[in-house]
Amino acid sequence: AQSVTQLDSQVPVFEEAPVELRCNYSSSVSVYLFWYVQYPNQGLQLLLKYLSGSTLVESINGFEAEFNKSQTSFHLRKPSVHISDTAEYFCAVTPSYNTDKLIFGTGTRLQVFP
Amino acid sequence: DAGVIQSPRHEVTEMGQEVTLRCKPISGHNSLFWYRQTMMRGLELLIYFNNNVPIDDSGMPEDRFSAKMPNASFSTLKIQPSEPRDSAVYFCASSQSTGIDIQYFGAGTRLSVL
Repeated sequence: AQSVTQLDSQVPVFEEAPVELRCNYSSSVSVYLFWYVQYPNQGLQLLLKYLSGSTLVESINGFEAEFNKSQTSFHLRKPSVHISDTAEYFCAVTPSYNTDKLIFGTGTRLQVFP
Repeated sequence: DAGVIQSPRHEVTEMGQEVTLRCKPISGHNSLFWYRQTMMRGLELLIYFNNNVPIDDSGMPEDRFSAKMPNASFSTLKIQPSEPRDSAVYFCASSQSTGIDIQYFGAGTRLSVL
């Protein structure tokens, strides 16, 4: 079975500072990995995903994540955050042989202060 | 497209009452997912359908919970009788296929059982 661990439940940062949200997964088979974002009072939205190919994937709003197979990690980074990035971020995994459902982590709340 | 539509947005009820949550997936999507989000347990998959057929309901907490998808454009999640521990935000999501395709989430129904 697969599992996802997001060690940081909350990450406070100042505006324009860099940020890293950590995600580690556990799986004995190859996986696909995702980051979803949930803005206040909204549903989740896909931020970026890794399926294959380049291990570095980017989103349209400046976030990037790198798939590290040896460390079983898929950390999310942004070099300079904005107030509008304040949200909850969820890492998710699905085994590549059976993509019926996503397994979500418990989420990390990113709070950006002015 | 209007996106995934959930109703009601908020529901307050008393213990023992029946609660019905509704979801209209995005037109053309053939997979539908019901999730529950709580502070303690994070985001949990309750059940998902593919082409209106329930595929995996292993996440449904107990017999008090039931879900139906009578057609491609409508699904319900029913709790009968409701209990205070059912208080949570319930999300519906849909995708064109399962897992690997982007899941589009509704805005959620915040349920409070008093």
